[in-house]
Amino acid sequence: GAGVSQSPRYKVAKRGQDVALRCDPISGHVSLFWYQQALGQGPEFLTYFQNEAQLDKSGLPSDRFFAERPEGSVSTLKIQRTQQEDSAVYLCASSLARAGGNQPQHFGDGTRLSIL
Amino acid sequence: TQLLEQSPQFLSIQEGENLTVYCNSSSVFSSLQWYRQEPGEGPVLLVTVVTGGEVKKLKRLTFQFGDARKDSSLHITAAQPGDTGLYLCAAYQTGANNLFFGTGTRLTVIP
Repeated sequence: GAGVSQSPRYKVAKRGQDVALRCDPISGHVSLFWYQQALGQGPEFLTYFQNEAQLDKSGLPSDRFFAERPEGSVSTLKIQRTQQEDSAVYLCASSLARAGGNQPQHFGDGTRLSIL
Repeated sequence: TQLLEQSPQFLSIQEGENLTVYCNSSSVFSSLQWYRQEPGEGPVLLVTVVTGGEVKKLKRLTFQFGDARKDSSLHITAAQPGDTGLYLCAAYQTGANNLFFGTGTRLTVIP
């Protein structure tokens, strides 16, 4: 498809395990964003890539969270030593140009992460 | 403190009724976006408003950007069950790379 694709759609892990979430943005999109969305809330920013460069990681809640986009397309969000408070939907979004201005963001359907 | 406060948080109405959702802030924005999110899906952009006082219509949905570019409203006329979802306002803050999202309004339209 032509949209943003995320996998897996659902992930259940035990507390302390490491998880990796994948995002395939729309082809050719320069900007890629990761957001965390708690139940019933709006998404909250985690990190931003412009091509392969991670320009903003101010939203990552702890050093257990790590994101990469090595070739400027697919991105992976990794969470180490998961905690129950990490349970949320993780959304990926991409946009055609650099962030800011009136740029619309195109969202994937998210990965629902549940930590037991 | 939320950058963008939405009200009401929850809204349940009968099919055919009208409703208004508000998005308020103390900050000034160069533009503001509205998204709708359905369960199990990502947010989908509805509209972007740019000019203070601007009004945009999308079928039965009317979006307005406040004159001071600090607030916005979404009005739905003759709501349909298909309008059910989470409505989110969002904006870029000056110098920031990311969208800040509002607290969300969960709308349920009962047939």
